[in-house]
Amino acid sequence: GAGVSQSPSNKVTEKGKDVELRCDPISGHTALYWYRQSLGQGLEFLIYFQGNSAPDKSGLPSDRFSAERTGGSVSTLTIQRTQQEDSAVYLCASSLGRPRAGANVLTFGAGSRLTVL
Amino acid sequence: DQQVKQNSPSLSVQEGRISILNCDYTNSMFDYFLWYKKYPAEGPTFLISISSIKDKNEDGRFTVFLNKSAKHLSLHIVPSQPGDSAVYFCAASEGAQKLVFGQGTRLTINP
Repeated sequence: GAGVSQSPSNKVTEKGKDVELRCDPISGHTALYWYRQSLGQGLEFLIYFQGNSAPDKSGLPSDRFSAERTGGSVSTLTIQRTQQEDSAVYLCASSLGRPRAGANVLTFGAGSRLTVL
Repeated sequence: DQQVKQNSPSLSVQEGRISILNCDYTNSMFDYFLWYKKYPAEGPTFLISISSIKDKNEDGRFTVFLNKSAKHLSLHIVPSQPGDSAVYFCAASEGAQKLVFGQGTRLTINP
């Protein structure tokens, strides 16, 4: 598609429930990122997929968080047994991902706002 | 370990004047730096970038300066306009590795 698409745009869930957030990156972009922004905070890196390489999961805050990227395209971020501190805007971004000028220019989606009650 | 830091959470500037947003980094291996702008309820959008082989890059009203010895990056906006009011994030990367963002600076342009 023309841009990065994320769904749902808003999700309200009860503490302890599992949630899935979806990201459709720009066609042809090999790199895909998940970030989150909690209220009043900056962009916190979660996970990074680059082509067929093993993902960089170093930003995932706990083992309740996982992500996968199927077929090098769509990605799903799963949060199990949600907690109130998981409330945030979850942002997905994609890029060309090659080490040349402009390769790390990320295009972001509008985000998925998660509220855990 | 905050590798990219924006020490000013907010900045207020009068319309028509220059806005200067600052960013410091700790990783000397970073070789590509970017600025993003974010409006409420939207994802961040790319503004301007600079590679470590340069010390200045200009695009219209926006200029980014890089001081590698000081590990310091700044964004100048001149003249500032009301539509520039947003949160600005600086970001850095090493090669094709993940992009690391600062905490953001909220810029408010006053009429």
